[in-house]
Amino acid sequence: RKEVEQDPGPFNVPEGATVAFNCTYSNSASQSFFWYRQDCRKEPKLLMSVYSSGNEDGRFTAQLNRASQYISLLIRDSKLSDSATYLCVVNNPGGYQKVTFGTGTKLQVIP
Amino acid sequence: NAGVTQTPKFRVLKTGQSMTLLCAQDMNHEYMYWYRQDPGMGLRLIHYSVGEGTTAKGEVPDGYNVSRLKKQNFLLGLESAAPSQTSVYFCASSLTGTGGRSPLHFGNGTRLTVT
Repeated sequence: RKEVEQDPGPFNVPEGATVAFNCTYSNSASQSFFWYRQDCRKEPKLLMSVYSSGNEDGRFTAQLNRASQYISLLIRDSKLSDSATYLCVVNNPGGYQKVTFGTGTKLQVIP
Repeated sequence: NAGVTQTPKFRVLKTGQSMTLLCAQDMNHEYMYWYRQDPGMGLRLIHYSVGEGTTAKGEVPDGYNVSRLKKQNFLLGLESAAPSQTSVYFCASSLTGTGGRSPLHFGNGTRLTVT
């Protein structure tokens, strides 16, 4: 099993739609979780951290399910500008300065 | 503030040539990292540094060397480039280690092709 797995997509959704991505992780000891956004041929940028209780930032909601070892990202009222690849990032505890990146889920919002 | 700046943006090398990628950050971050990104794979850590004068191996260190002589700079060297090193390279920095909640700040990448 991969350390971090994401559905690569692409997810093609119309403007205004709600879309959700899941990301599963294998290390039950992982403590920190993030969603990054990466535009085509650009660097990744932090979208939001994921907290145990779930957190929301405008149209974006992130949730953590420790029992099933996955995190999710929900985007409401999709905009054309949301088109990007969304990277799931999970830390690997144990003293090693390493987080594991998922391969990303591509979202295309269609007019 | 410029954040994290990488140079060059693009480079084409022939097999066996050497080069150095430069990374500079102006956020006074202790931690700096070099990643590579290949199609179908997540970003993979090459080397990292937890402070000036320190470096450590990441997940895929072979064929690369690094140096952190100054806190703000982290250099990645390829001594003898190979086609397998064709990739997009990202430098990143963070205030604290990635084990915590400190996010990574990335440079805008270097596209390297080795022929």
